[in-house]
Amino acid sequence: NAGVTQTPKFHILKTGQSMTLQCAQDMNHGYLSWYRQDPGMGLRRIHYSVAAGITDKGEVPDGYNVSRSNTEDFPLRLESAAPSQTSVYFCASSYSGESTDTQYFGPGTRLTVL
Amino acid sequence: GEDVEQSLFLSVREGDSSVINCTYTDSSSTYLYWYKQEPGAGLQLLTYIFSNMDMKQDQRLTVLLNKKDKHLSLRIADTQTGDSAIYFCAEPMNRDDKIIFGKGTRLHILP
Repeated sequence: NAGVTQTPKFHILKTGQSMTLQCAQDMNHGYLSWYRQDPGMGLRRIHYSVAAGITDKGEVPDGYNVSRSNTEDFPLRLESAAPSQTSVYFCASSYSGESTDTQYFGPGTRLTVL
Repeated sequence: GEDVEQSLFLSVREGDSSVINCTYTDSSSTYLYWYKQEPGAGLQLLTYIFSNMDMKQDQRLTVLLNKKDKHLSLRIADTQTGDSAIYFCAEPMNRDDKIIFGKGTRLHILP
């Protein structure tokens, strides 16, 4: 198993451009989530999905959209990037989404918005 | 409110013990987690402790839990250069399937 994979590893965007960050898992996990990590802020959840076809907002959803058309993939879309979205983004998966489930994290995407 | 607090930085000499502390808010949490993030990588689950335990030992790692004070600590014995990383304390919120992460403690190893 590859676990949780994310692409790209690094990207630079200009303000107003759009971009999709990819996340895929091959562990047949139902629960997927996106976090952003900022210095001094820890991890904050952006959006999550408990199953294909179901998505929900996390704590910091503004400026981001997600979709979940199948079990494996959970792309995060920035429609019009802003400098405040410069961050490191992590996708995480767990089996059922129960808060006691172990979450497995991808390697992260470092995004810079100029 | 929901919060997990930890100090942001810890500097330790190689071979000494490191102790990373954390305080949490939800006394109903079933587990508490420690995650490790190495440079340029994602978070990896390092260890966890059930809320009905006071201590858990796993090789060089010792987790201590004080439920009365809502205080969690991670002790790393014989700290090595490979232990250099950011360590996150995390508390699952049983009521809404959310995990609250602390801001992370950066462990720096001195030669």
